[in-house]
Amino acid sequence: EAGVTQSPTHLIKTRGQQATLRCSPISGHTSVYWYQQALGLGLQFLLWYDEGEERNRGNFPPRFSGRQFPNYSSELNVNALELEDSALYLCASSRGQGVHQPQHFGDGTRLSIL
Amino acid sequence: KQEVTQIPAALSVPEGENLVLNCSFTDSAIYNLQWFRQDPGKGLTSLLLIQSSQREQTSGRLNASLDKSSGRSTLYIAASQPGDSATYLCAVRPYGNNRLAFGKGNQVVVIP
Repeated sequence: EAGVTQSPTHLIKTRGQQATLRCSPISGHTSVYWYQQALGLGLQFLLWYDEGEERNRGNFPPRFSGRQFPNYSSELNVNALELEDSALYLCASSRGQGVHQPQHFGDGTRLSIL
Repeated sequence: KQEVTQIPAALSVPEGENLVLNCSFTDSAIYNLQWFRQDPGKGLTSLLLIQSSQREQTSGRLNASLDKSSGRSTLYIAASQPGDSATYLCAVRPYGNNRLAFGKGNQVVVIP
């Protein structure tokens, strides 16, 4: 069974640009989560999508947005990039909304802002 | 707000010693607790998931315990090996929420 896949592996942008990160969940998983891991800050929850709908978002500004497609893959968009957006962005998936389901993570996209 | 703490932030042990990693959380209203491993620059690998009704979970050399009422979990790794060198993260799923709240991790180095 293929795991959670994320693309691209690395992304280099400059301040003010826009970035798009992609995630494909494990087959059969309908929930997708996005987390940010910035240096020294630990993992912070960004967004949760299930069945195509945004279900919850973390304490991030509106320039962080995303969507989930009918095949359950997901996109994270970050507009007006700032230096502090440099981080590892991790996507996770789970089987449905069940709170007892484990989240499985991908290898992440390293976003560097110059 | 749920706060998850992992102490110490970093530790080194000689190969063959047992590893004991601690995680504490401030709010006992959780559905479950999950331990992850993260290698440098990589994503998270799920090690063990303990539901709130369980006291422990075991997988090979790994054993995790959960004391929900006192807000503590411990991950034991028996007979450590250099390949166990990594950062170990603890995460809880609070009631009413599907997001995970993470600690900052224990960075472990096993010395050959």
